[in-house]
Amino acid sequence: SQTIHQWPATLVQPVGSPLSLECTVEGTSNPNLYWYRQAAGRGLQLLFYSVGIGQISSEVPQNLSASRPQDRQFILSSKKLLLSDSGFYLCAENLGQGSYGYTFGSGTRLTVV
Amino acid sequence: AQSVAQPEDQVNVAEGNPLTVKCTYSVSGNPYLFWYVQYPNRGLQFLLKYITGDNLVKGSYGFEAEFNKSQTSFHLKKPSALVSDSALYFCAVRVPGAGSYQLTFGKGTKLSVIP
Repeated sequence: SQTIHQWPATLVQPVGSPLSLECTVEGTSNPNLYWYRQAAGRGLQLLFYSVGIGQISSEVPQNLSASRPQDRQFILSSKKLLLSDSGFYLCAENLGQGSYGYTFGSGTRLTVV
Repeated sequence: AQSVAQPEDQVNVAEGNPLTVKCTYSVSGNPYLFWYVQYPNRGLQFLLKYITGDNLVKGSYGFEAEFNKSQTSFHLKKPSALVSDSALYFCAVRVPGAGSYQLTFGKGTKLSVIP
C-alpha cells in the first residue's frame, strides 16, 4: 500500500517570504502526483499534477510552482508568498492505472501573515 | 468533460437516524465513483468506490453507496449515524482510460450528527 508524507504540518509565514512544501511517497514507483489547495475547509482546487520526473502540469496560473526532482518527491514552492496563498495544502498520488483512486497526505496548514 | 455535484453544503442528522449524502455526476462513458471523508485538519480518507458489478457498494465505518446509472447518482448512506461521523464528505468521479487518471471532486458536504 502507498503512504504519503507531507511536512510541515503547519506553517506560518510572512507575506513576501519564500515557501517550500515537500511530499514524498512510499510503496510505489512512478506514481501520478498532485497538489491540491483547500480554502476554508471546503472544495479542493487542483494546483499541479505530475506524471513523471520533471513533468509538471499547472492547472491554475498563480504565485506557486511545483517540481518533481525524484520519482517519489513532489515539491510546492513560491518565491514570494501572498496573503491569498493561505490554505490547507494536500498532496495526493495514484497509480495511474486500473480502478485506483487517490491516497492523500495529511496536509499542511499554511497561514500567510 | 466530467463533473460531480453535491447539492447540499450541509446535512444535519440526529444520532441513530439514517443518513444520506447526495452525489450526482456527469460523464461520457462508464464512471469510476468514489467517496472520501475528511476530518478537521486532516487529509482525505477513502471510504468506498464503485467500479462495476453490484450497484450497492459497502465501505469503511458502516457506510454504503448505491450507484444508479439512470439517475446518474451515487448517494452515500449509513443506516444509523454516529456523532463521530461528523466530517466533510467528498464524492469523486473518474472515467477509465482518460488521460492523467485525475479524479474530479465535488465541492464537499459537511455532515453534522447531533447527539
